[in-house]
Amino acid sequence: DAGITQSPRHKVTETGTPVTLRCHQTENHRYMYWYRQDPGHGLRLIHYSYGVKDTDKGEVSDGYSVSRSKTEDFLLTLESATSSQTSVYFCAISVSGRETQYFGPGTRLLVL
Amino acid sequence: GQQLNQSPQSMFIQEGEDVSMNCTSSSIFNTWLWYKQDPGEGPVLLIALYKAGELTSNGRLTAQFGITRKDSFLNISASIPSDVGIYFCAGLNNFNKFYFGSGTKLNVKP
Repeated sequence: DAGITQSPRHKVTETGTPVTLRCHQTENHRYMYWYRQDPGHGLRLIHYSYGVKDTDKGEVSDGYSVSRSKTEDFLLTLESATSSQTSVYFCAISVSGRETQYFGPGTRLLVL
Repeated sequence: GQQLNQSPQSMFIQEGEDVSMNCTSSSIFNTWLWYKQDPGEGPVLLIALYKAGELTSNGRLTAQFGITRKDSFLNISASIPSDVGIYFCAGLNNFNKFYFGSGTKLNVKP
């Protein structure tokens, strides 16, 4: 399972509140990714990281920020949650960024 | 952004039948991946393809990397009830970005 955990696994929040999701990996992989999954859209990349303090935007980054202060943790923050951010969020890792990705179990977020 | 067109969107088959699904793109990819996702879980990697024309098997699963590098297919032989789930293709492009298809939902009747 590539040693990836996500927390929380489920969260309900209200519009306008900040939310932080955590991805933790135990195998010191360099590359980490945050995706959101919505019906009819498949998986879409939000942000990714290629090392500690090195991050870049994906195709749907508006309204999201990330931080990576340690190799093993990649945090996704919704500064002010909106209903359009209701989704399932997946973290993924890869070794070199050029090969296969392995996914965590997901976080189901509901913004009311 | 880049689009991966995955078909069919859903399939209803009888146990024991073979299944075929595919992904196509207007752009070239350097790697093709196939994942399976069960309800409430993250996608699990089934097969990875790294070269045009490559044909790779994993048990009853066989996948091919198209010669044009713009498509890939996945076959499942002799389907069983535990094959039920959503199957996703993914492609890695020249800019080291992954893109995902919207999935094929497989239903298997015992």
